[in-house]
Amino acid sequence: DQQVKQNSPSLSVQEGRISILNCDYTNSMFDYFLWYKKYPAEGPTFLISISSIKDKNEDGRFTVFLNKSAKHLSLHIVPSQPGDSAVYFCAARNMNRDDKIIFGKGTRLHILP
Amino acid sequence: EAGVTQFPSHSVIEKGQTVTLRCDPISGHDNLYWYRRVMGKEIKFLLHFVKESKQDESGMPNNRFLAERTGGTYSTLKVQPAELEDSGVYFCASSQDWDSYGYTFGSGTRLTVV
Repeated sequence: DQQVKQNSPSLSVQEGRISILNCDYTNSMFDYFLWYKKYPAEGPTFLISISSIKDKNEDGRFTVFLNKSAKHLSLHIVPSQPGDSAVYFCAARNMNRDDKIIFGKGTRLHILP
Repeated sequence: EAGVTQFPSHSVIEKGQTVTLRCDPISGHDNLYWYRRVMGKEIKFLLHFVKESKQDESGMPNNRFLAERTGGTYSTLKVQPAELEDSGVYFCASSQDWDSYGYTFGSGTRLTVV
């Protein structure tokens, strides 16, 4: 039973345009949401996070939006750059489960020249 | 500061053999996690150490998997005997206390069982 769902396995976006990656979750006990970025042959690296008490967090070109009523979050990258091509994992922490982070399946983002 | 180090980076073994993966967390990090990603699937939690104690091992697939963290420093994950479905990338991660950055991950060990 997947608690964090990324329904788009891949996404292609033109360089300079906006990339929007989506994530849905089922567990209302999640209190923190994170996005990780992963290049081939490397481990996931932290990108941006948001607390469940907020609805938006911005860091440079990256913005995460959280809609708690819809149990949905999204990552916006603007403008998209070639180095953004990677797999993006949505993740969430369950405050009642010992800080364990639960990951989605990932979305592969391709930035087209 | 050295990051999370995993060894080996790749391992190819035959079904029925034993493999031991090692993880060296960031120095001073009490929390150590093991995760696994089978191709195309989510990064799945295996277990969590706090220092040398297993805090949560609910994700361990079966008793062919044994994790240890002697002395609360590095950790090993042994698979014995290995099966074909054990193939995947095994990630280790560490953290001190929870913060908004989550965990720091190692580069992973790609295990292929043939």
